[in-house]
Amino acid sequence: GNSVTQMEGPVTLSEEAFLTINCTYTATGYPSLFWYVQYPGEGLQLLLKATKADDKGSNKGFEATYRKETTSFHLEKGSVQVSDSAVYFCALMGDYKLSFGAGTTVTVRA
Amino acid sequence: DTGVSQNPRHKITKRGQNVTFRCDPISEHNRLYWYRQTLGQGPEFLTYFQNEAQLEKSRLLSDRFSAERPKGSFSTLEIQRTEQGDSAMYLCASSLAMVVWGQENTEAFFGQGTRLTVV
Repeated sequence: GNSVTQMEGPVTLSEEAFLTINCTYTATGYPSLFWYVQYPGEGLQLLLKATKADDKGSNKGFEATYRKETTSFHLEKGSVQVSDSAVYFCALMGDYKLSFGAGTTVTVRA
Repeated sequence: DTGVSQNPRHKITKRGQNVTFRCDPISEHNRLYWYRQTLGQGPEFLTYFQNEAQLEKSRLLSDRFSAERPKGSFSTLEIQRTEQGDSAMYLCASSLAMVVWGQENTEAFFGQGTRLTVV
């Protein structure tokens, strides 16, 4: 079946630090890949997506590249802000449904 | 607001009682999903509908759980004889399903969830 493994947290960073969250997947076929974010007290929001190999998804300074050869979709941001504190979920769409990783809690200190 | 709406936002119930949650998807979306999320975990798939047809149910979905989507619009999730282990956040999502070059290419939008506490 389909599955997603992402870096365990929590991750604590200082403002303006570089953030990377590793995500690897196992899937049949050619899934679409997503990063969702959950801010405190809010619902899941789509952060970015990529639908085929070598696609780069980007939004709000975050980027992730669909790497088929390494079955990875790592999330990166060059300079984080306090407002980026949230839980980040890697997910894939396969077999008509989303499969999620366990989530990585990121805390950014001022 | 044209997003996915879930009601109630919070529900506290006694063990053994039945509860029902409602989800109103984005109006033009033909696919609707139910997920369950417990603390420190990612959402786990429960079931999904394509229009009014329930196409898949997870093995997680015991026979105490039932979901409906009459007329392909809103959906309800009912849990009968609730147990403490049912305490979780129940998430609903909707999408406009489309297949591009043989690949499922859908973006799912989530509601804020219903937090269930069974005491």
